[in-house]
Amino acid sequence: GNSVTQMEGPVTLSEEAFLTINCTYTATGYPSLFWYVQYPGEGLQLLLKATKADDKGSNKGFEATYRKETTSFHLEKGSVQVSDSAVYFCALSRNNRKLIWGLGTSLAVNP
Amino acid sequence: GAGVSQSPRYKVAKRGQDVALRCDPISGHVSLFWYQQALGQGPEFLTYFQNEAQLDKSGLPSDRFFAERPEGSVSTLKIQRTQQEDSAVYLCASSSNSGSNNEQFFGPGTRLTVL
Repeated sequence: GNSVTQMEGPVTLSEEAFLTINCTYTATGYPSLFWYVQYPGEGLQLLLKATKADDKGSNKGFEATYRKETTSFHLEKGSVQVSDSAVYFCALSRNNRKLIWGLGTSLAVNP
Repeated sequence: GAGVSQSPRYKVAKRGQDVALRCDPISGHVSLFWYQQALGQGPEFLTYFQNEAQLDKSGLPSDRFFAERPEGSVSTLKIQRTQQEDSAVYLCASSSNSGSNNEQFFGPGTRLTVL
């Protein structure tokens, strides 16, 4: 079946550090891939997405590239800020139906 | 414009009680999804509507869970005879078109605690 595995947290970084959160998936066909973010006390928000192989999604300095050969969609940011502290979820969907989610990775950025 | 809203935001129920959770999607959004998020976990799919039609209810954990969207807008998730394992945040999301890869917009969730 379809599934998403993402790096366990919590991840703690200093401000301006480089961030990588790993995400790999198992799916039939060609899913769309997503990163959602949940800031403290807020609802889930789409951070970025990619709908086909080799697409790169980007937003707010975050990037992720859809790698079909490694079935991965790792999230990266070159220089994190305190305001990036949140829980990050990797997810996939096929044909815009249900989202299948990873467990989430908590990120804490210290000043 | 207004986003997805859910009510109540918090609900405490005694074991065995019935509860009803409401979702108001973004106006005009065709698709509506319900997810269950246990503490420290990712969301799990419960059910999906396209307009008033419930196209997928494969994620509903038992026949105590029932969802409806009778006029293709507001949706209600009902849980009968609540159990402690039903304690979770229930998330509603809507999107504009089921035929393409469109973003799901999430409400703030309803946190259900069953005592």
